[in-house]
Amino acid sequence: EVQLLESGGNLVQPGGSLRLSCAASGFTFSSYAMSWVRQAPGKGLEWASSISGSGSSPYYADSVKGRFTISRDNSKNTLYLQMNSLRAEDTAVYYCAKDAGFAALRSYFHLWGQGILVTVSS
Amino acid sequence: EIVLTQSPGTLSLSPGEGATLSCRASQNVSSRFLAWYQQNPGQAPRLLIYGASSRAAGIPDRFSGDGSGTAFTLTISRLEPEDFAVYYCQQYGRSRTFGQGTKVEIK
Repeated sequence: EVQLLESGGNLVQPGGSLRLSCAASGFTFSSYAMSWVRQAPGKGLEWASSISGSGSSPYYADSVKGRFTISRDNSKNTLYLQMNSLRAEDTAVYYCAKDAGFAALRSYFHLWGQGILVTVSS
Repeated sequence: EIVLTQSPGTLSLSPGEGATLSCRASQNVSSRFLAWYQQNPGQAPRLLIYGASSRAAGIPDRFSGDGSGTAFTLTISRLEPEDFAVYYCQQYGRSRTFGQGTKVEIK
C-alpha cells in the first residue's frame, strides 16, 4: 500500500524556519517526482514546489521561490521542504504528493499524504 | 500563469441527481493536461480524473470528465452521499495551477 506521511509541522514566528519531511512507502520512490501542495485555512489548494525523481530538477511557485527549498533523499525514501523567512501567509496545511511520472513537469498529483499544519504567528 | 475559474461556487443538489461542474482556463491547456480532485472535509484531496477524461484507479464510472482548450467539465451522473464534497480542477500543462473549487452540498 502506498503511504505518504508528513511530519515537522509546528507553530513558528514570522521570519523563522521550519523543515517538513514526507516519508514514502509502498512504491519505488526514486522513480517518481514528488511535490508539496498547501492549503491555507478555509481556502483552496496551491501548488508550492516539485522535484524530479532524481532530485536534480526542483521547481517552485513564485510565492515561495527564494525562501523554500525542496529536496529528497532517495536512499531514505524521504521528501523534504526547508522553509525559511516564513510569513503569516505561509500558514497552511502542507500536503506531500506523489506525481504521476518521473519528471516534475506535465504531471498531475496521483496520491496525497494526509497533510501537516504549519502555523506562522507571533 | 494560467488562471482556472470554476463555476458555480456552490451547487445544491439532492442525492440521485446529476451534477455538472465547469472549469474555464485563461489560456489554452495544452494536450488536455487537466485533472480533477475531490476533497471531503478534513481529508486530503483525491485524484478523480486526469488527461481531462481518464478516470483514476478505483473511481466509479458515475464520474466523467470532458473538454479541451479552455473549457472543461466534470459530470457526476447520480450523486451518492459520499460525493458531497469540494471539487478542484488543476492544469499541469504549464506549471501547475488550481481552480478555486466548487462545493457540492446537500439540498
